[in-house]
Amino acid sequence: GQQLNQSPQSMFIQEGEDVSMNCTSSSIFNTWLWYKQDPGEGPVLLIALYKAGELTSNGRLTAQFGITRKDSFLNISASIPSDVGIYFCAGHNQGGKLIFGQGTELSVKP
Amino acid sequence: KAGVTQTPRYLIKTRGQQVTLSCSPISGHRSVSWYQQTPGQGLQFLFEYFSETQRNKGNFPGRFSGRQFSNSRSEMNVSTLELGDSALYLCASRWGSYGNTEAFFGQGTRLTVV
Repeated sequence: GQQLNQSPQSMFIQEGEDVSMNCTSSSIFNTWLWYKQDPGEGPVLLIALYKAGELTSNGRLTAQFGITRKDSFLNISASIPSDVGIYFCAGHNQGGKLIFGQGTELSVKP
Repeated sequence: KAGVTQTPRYLIKTRGQQVTLSCSPISGHRSVSWYQQTPGQGLQFLFEYFSETQRNKGNFPGRFSGRQFSNSRSEMNVSTLELGDSALYLCASRWGSYGNTEAFFGQGTRLTVV
């Protein structure tokens, strides 16, 4: 089935560092969503992107909808310990089905 | 407005038993999707219901089934439980089934099969 390739799979960074992760697909997506999941909890929606080229910020988070509509990235600036968790990208394909990436596990060392 | 509510939060069952999980979507949302999450496997799509009809189905055996009621609440049933069914089961609600509508997740039900 259709897949989203999310990278990296895991990251270990120092508090204060910036973080970047991305998702790519061989197919066009109509929207991109970024979620964060804390251990034992459900994913929480961070940012939603609706148009190619769109750049959206939410506090220290910035995400962009790639111009080809086949990719998206999420940046976190000046990371803090509570940024720890798993980040998922998701996108609506041409048929409206929501597809998820495999997740990026972020660890932040104080 | 209340978020997505899943019950119960935790469940322990024995192999061979069956289990029913419940999901109440955000008020006004008519689509409910179910996902299975196990360590290292990400979010595996089970099925999606919209207006009491199953719209999409993932690649899970027939032991996994679901339904949606007229008030959009959904239940998921797993029969003849296996050890490998131990997972976090998540449901997500969205306003529509097609198109670019955002999905919101519940806190999940942690199922342990012993």
